[in-house]
Amino acid sequence: QKEVEQNSGPLSVPEGAIASLNCTYSDRGSQSFFWYRQYSGKSPELIMSIYSNGDKEDGRFTAQLNKASQYVSLLIRDSQPSDSATYLCAVNQAGTALIFGKGTTLSVSS
Amino acid sequence: EADIYQTPRYLVIGTGKKITLECSQTMGHDKMYWYQQDPGMELHLIHYSYGVNSTEKGDLSSESTVSRIRTEHFPLTLESARPSHTSQYLCASSDHFDPFTGELFFGEGSRLTVL
Repeated sequence: QKEVEQNSGPLSVPEGAIASLNCTYSDRGSQSFFWYRQYSGKSPELIMSIYSNGDKEDGRFTAQLNKASQYVSLLIRDSQPSDSATYLCAVNQAGTALIFGKGTTLSVSS
Repeated sequence: EADIYQTPRYLVIGTGKKITLECSQTMGHDKMYWYQQDPGMELHLIHYSYGVNSTEKGDLSSESTVSRIRTEHFPLTLESARPSHTSQYLCASSDHFDPFTGELFFGEGSRLTVL
């Protein structure tokens, strides 16, 4: 069983729409959760981190965490063509390294 | 901006050769990692280190080895490269003091092709 699962996509949304990216994880002991963005041919970069149940907003990005359902999501409001990338969900148990999902490819059309 | 550097960026090499991928960071981070990523696939942790003289194998079995003699330097070595080693290798580091931080700072990667 994969530890971090994501729909690989591609997820296609028009410019200005809300993009919703989802991730589930298998280990209930996981304590911190992250969304990284990776442009084609580039290295991942951190967008959001979330540690507590609920929502966390940062500009156009909102991360949502539900530990009971072992579910974390990322909403991107007012999507822009520059948001087109692969979004990686990553999960961390205390004392271990990050485990990454396969990523969801987002395509925003203008 | 992250200060973590990988060399070489691109390497094409023949089977059986020994290679070393270099990774250096100037942030004073204790934790360093090597991930392997094939196109369209997830990052797989192959090695990590929590400090000088500390190295551990990651989730993905790898024939590579690493060393951590200095805080800022975490090289990865393949004694005898094979075509199955063809991949993108990403080095990353993170701060030791926050136990919950997952923010990894990545280098630009080393793309290895073994013929």
